[in-house]
Amino acid sequence: GIQVEQSPPDLILQEGANSTLRCNFSDSVNNLQWFHQNPWGQLINLFYIPSGTKQNGRLSATTVATERYSLLYISSSQTTDSGVYFCAVASGGSYIPTFGRGTSLIVHP
Amino acid sequence: NAGVMQNPRHLVRRRGQEARLRCSPMKGHSHVYWYRQLPEEGLKFMVYLQKENIIDESGMPKERFSAEFPKEGPSILRIQQVVRGDSAAYFCASSLDLQETQYFGPGTRLLVL
Repeated sequence: GIQVEQSPPDLILQEGANSTLRCNFSDSVNNLQWFHQNPWGQLINLFYIPSGTKQNGRLSATTVATERYSLLYISSSQTTDSGVYFCAVASGGSYIPTFGRGTSLIVHP
Repeated sequence: NAGVMQNPRHLVRRRGQEARLRCSPMKGHSHVYWYRQLPEEGLKFMVYLQKENIIDESGMPKERFSAEFPKEGPSILRIQQVVRGDSAAYFCASSLDLQETQYFGPGTRLLVL
């Protein structure tokens, strides 16, 4: 099956800083989603982005399907951005996503 | 418009007991997916169902685990004779169609003593 690698595994930021999270995948992509799992465990959809670029407030994402990676940008980070960010990719003939291991983000005030 | 609902949110079982986890998809969604998350790990796909049909159960353990999505009522993930290794967070997601965005419920945290 498809391999999904996320980097960095851990990230610590000061409030106000910017960051880029990366998701590499090993096969052609049918769909790709970014999620934020908050400290209470809830999974929140951020982007559905099999290709191209999308923006939502301080967050934006870019997927370059031909080069098999996606990037999540967080600008002017806030303490509420803390949590784990997952990339989930479906490939081949399947639309069932495979999740990466996530990037754990801590934003300090 | 309510999101995906799961209950219970927390479930404690002793070894050998049965666990029943419920998931009500978003209104209008007929595609339901179950995932398991072990501590410090990402989510692992278990099973994909449409109303009354199991479409893909490739991620489901062959024994003790079963899932259903009846014509009426929520989807049920059933774990028989639970063992400590079943302790995890179980998430349900739903979508309008297979190619559409999946929306996740709050999860059920199962603890097996």
